[in-house]
Amino acid sequence: GAVVSQHPSRVICKSGTSVKIECRSLDFQATTMFWYRQFPKQSLMLMATSNEGSKATYEQGVEKDKFLINHASLTLSTLTVTSAHPEDSSFYICSARALIAGARTDTQYFGPGTRLTVL
Amino acid sequence: AQKITQTQPGMFVQEKEAVTLDCTYDTSDQSYGLFWYKQPSSGEMIFLIYQGSYDEQNATEGRYSLNFQKARKSANLVISASQLGDSAMYFCAMRQYPGGAGSYQLTFGKGTKLSVIP
Repeated sequence: GAVVSQHPSRVICKSGTSVKIECRSLDFQATTMFWYRQFPKQSLMLMATSNEGSKATYEQGVEKDKFLINHASLTLSTLTVTSAHPEDSSFYICSARALIAGARTDTQYFGPGTRLTVL
Repeated sequence: AQKITQTQPGMFVQEKEAVTLDCTYDTSDQSYGLFWYKQPSSGEMIFLIYQGSYDEQNATEGRYSLNFQKARKSANLVISASQLGDSAMYFCAMRQYPGGAGSYQLTFGKGTKLSVIP
C-alpha cells in the first residue's frame, strides 16, 4: 500500500515555457501532499505543503507565482513551473501523507521524482 | 527550530557485514518522530523505519533497526547483513507533534552515501 506515482519522470523544455508535473496517490487518499526540490548530491528542500481543496502553503523563498500548486482531489496534486528558466532545472519529488494499515504512524510516501531540464 | 545532522557523507561496508549510519537531532519538542529513508540512484525515496519519541523499544524492520538514544538525541540506523542493493543515499528525518500547519512536515538531514563492497 501507499504507492505514489509522478509524471513525467523526465522532461526537457525550452526556456520560457511552462511544465506541469503530476503527483498521484494510487491506492489511498491523501489530504496532504508535499513538493520538494533536490539539487545533485544534496538533501530534499521542501517547497510547499499542499492540502486538498485549499491553497498551498509555500516555504520561505519559494515563489508562489512561479511554482503553482493545485490539489484538486484527494489523489492528485500538480506542480506547474511557469516560465521555466535554466536555474529551475532540478529534481522535483512529491510525497503524500498516509496512514497505512498496521503502521504506527502516518508517514510520507514519495513519488519517483521528475527530472526537469530547462534549455 | 528542528535540525538533523548526519556527519558521515559517505560510508563503505563489506557485503554481509553490519553498518551503522549516524543521525543526531536537535529539538525542543517533547513529542516527535524520527524516520529513515533510502534513496537509490533512481531517485525515489523509500521509507525504511520509524521511531517515536515515546517509544520505549528501538524500532526494527527486517534488516533495519534504529538505535534510539533519547538522552543523546541520536537515532542511528543499523543495517544488518548488508547487500549490494543497499548501496544508496540514506536520509534521516524528523517531524514534530502535534498540531499546527507544519506538524506533518519532515526535516531532513544531508544524507549519507552508503556503498556496499562485494
